[in-house]
Amino acid sequence: DQQVKQNSPSLSVQEGRISILNCDYTNSMFDYFLWYKKYPAEGPTFLISISSIKDKNEDGRFTVFLNKSAKHLSLHIVPSQPGDSAVYFCAATRSQVMNRDDKIIFGKGTRLHILP
Amino acid sequence: DGGITQSPKYLFRKEGQNVTLSCEQNLNHDAMYWYRQDPGQGLRLIYYSQIVNDFQKGDIAEGYSVSREKKESFPLTVTSAQKNPTAFYLCASREPRGQSQPQHFGDGTRLSIL
Repeated sequence: DQQVKQNSPSLSVQEGRISILNCDYTNSMFDYFLWYKKYPAEGPTFLISISSIKDKNEDGRFTVFLNKSAKHLSLHIVPSQPGDSAVYFCAATRSQVMNRDDKIIFGKGTRLHILP
Repeated sequence: DGGITQSPKYLFRKEGQNVTLSCEQNLNHDAMYWYRQDPGQGLRLIYYSQIVNDFQKGDIAEGYSVSREKKESFPLTVTSAQKNPTAFYLCASREPRGQSQPQHFGDGTRLSIL
């Protein structure tokens, strides 16, 4: 039972254009969401996060939007650059966890190709 | 320079052999995690630990074991009971629960069967 879904395994975008990566979740208890970027043979690096009290968070070229009613979030990258070519993972968790259950649930990732 | 160090980067296992993957962090994080990544799959949680001398099974703990004797170290043993151990293994850490903080990851260990 996948609690975090990234339905697009891959995405190709022209350099300079906007890249939009999508993520859906099923657990309404999730209140903290993260995006990670991963290059081959390396560990994921944290990109940007958003708390459920917000609907938008921006950091430079990266913006994450959260639609709680639709249980959907998206990552926008603008303008897209060649170095953005990587696998992007969406993740979700419950930030205020009072028991020993402290998991961050990851999606399967979307491979982004930035075309010259 | 704070971070997470995983070693070795590449590891080979013979049939019936146990192998141990090292994970060390100097970020002073309480929580540590082990994930496995297979092609086309996301990161699947093997074990995690909130505090020294305590750890919990993740979603795919069978065939693996861990220990958490020190705050900075969380080694993972892949036992002979794990029938499909070939994968990319990632260790992560983060601030204690109750804080909205991201995980920090090491650069991974790729395990292959000889």
